[in-house]
Amino acid sequence: NAGVTQTPKFRVLKTGQSMTLLCAQDMNHEYMYWYRQDPGMGLRLIHYSVGEGTTAKGEVPDGYNVSRLKKQNFLLGLESAAPSQTSVYFCASSYPRQAGNTEAFFGQGTRLTVV
Amino acid sequence: LAKTTQPISMDSYEGQEVNITCSHNNIATNDYITWYQQFPSQGPRFIIQGYKTKVTNEVASLFIPADRKSSTLSLPRVSLSDTAVYYCLVGYNDMRFGAGTRLTVKP
Repeated sequence: NAGVTQTPKFRVLKTGQSMTLLCAQDMNHEYMYWYRQDPGMGLRLIHYSVGEGTTAKGEVPDGYNVSRLKKQNFLLGLESAAPSQTSVYFCASSYPRQAGNTEAFFGQGTRLTVV
Repeated sequence: LAKTTQPISMDSYEGQEVNITCSHNNIATNDYITWYQQFPSQGPRFIIQGYKTKVTNEVASLFIPADRKSSTLSLPRVSLSDTAVYYCLVGYNDMRFGAGTRLTVKP
């Protein structure tokens, strides 16, 4: 099992460019999450999904869009990148709360720099 | 949504027990309390989760009083490798991290 895989691991964008970050999990998890982590700070929830075809806004959704067309994939899009979006992005997945133990598994992160 | 408050940092020495307390005064009835550990340049790693009373696993214990307005993560006999940031989360579907507690274990 690969767990949670994020693609790419590093990326440099120019201001105004767009890109999509891919998160793939092979644990058949219902829930998936996207976070950003700025230097020295905690993780902030961008968007999350409680199932295929559903998404919801987190704490800092502005400037980002997401899609969950397949259960195993959760895509994070930046339509017009800004320097303020320079950060490390983490994806996570878990079973639903109703399943009891909802340990979330995280990917290794994507380090994005917008210049 | 319940907010969490934790100490910004803590220092300890190898072999000591470390207790990190988290305040969550506005916790909702169906919220769970979860703790994660994060090392530099890595994603967070699950430590323990609980709803009420005491939960223990192979790495930590979690103490939750009856009013659930706080919780305490207990790490027995810490080692240098336990130096990390520890996050307390409360919630149901959406997992929201606070600022975390930076634990430094000294020799």
